[in-house]
Amino acid sequence: GQQLNQSPQSMFIQEGEDVSMNCTSSSIFNTWLWYKQDPGEGPVLLIALYKAGELTSNGRLTAQFGITRKDSFLNISASIPSDVGIYFCAGRQMDTGNQFYFGTGTSLTVIP
Amino acid sequence: ETGVTQTPRHLVMGMTNKKSLKCEQHLGHNAMYWYKQSAKKPLELMFVYNFKEQTENNSVPSRFSPECPNSSHLFLHLHTLQPEDSALYLCASSNAWLVNNEQFFGPGTRLTVL
Repeated sequence: GQQLNQSPQSMFIQEGEDVSMNCTSSSIFNTWLWYKQDPGEGPVLLIALYKAGELTSNGRLTAQFGITRKDSFLNISASIPSDVGIYFCAGRQMDTGNQFYFGTGTSLTVIP
Repeated sequence: ETGVTQTPRHLVMGMTNKKSLKCEQHLGHNAMYWYKQSAKKPLELMFVYNFKEQTENNSVPSRFSPECPNSSHLFLHLHTLQPEDSALYLCASSNAWLVNNEQFFGPGTRLTVL
């Protein structure tokens, strides 16, 4: 199936720093989603993107739908300890109905 | 109860056991999904149900058997599993009527096969 390349795999940052991660695909997507997963829990939807070039914010989180429609970025500003977790991107192609493809995740550690 | 719930949260079973995982969604959705999550791998879609009808079966071994009695409940019946089947099994739901069709996940069942 479709593979999404998510980077970086892991990040260790100081509290207060900004974070950036991205996801790329070999195919054009019409939807990008970003999730966060805490240990022992399921992924929680953070931001959804539906149009190329779209920039959407959710508090300190900002995500963008790349204009090539093959990538997406997630930025977290002024990180805090509760931002710790694994962040996943997910994308959907035009003709695959309900099926989303998921990245391998970016593990974020925030050092107080 | 709100959102998507899954039971049990943890399950340890032997290779000869038969067990079932349960998922219930309280969001009024009409599509439900089973995913397998293993360490260092992307989420693997196993089964999709739209309006109680199975529409996807991504080459999942027959030792996994899904059941969707109505649009709010989804089961995954397990028998004669292998140790490599140990993973976090996630259920999700969505509204298939919506173009956006965002998926909402339950907390998962951590399965260990001995």
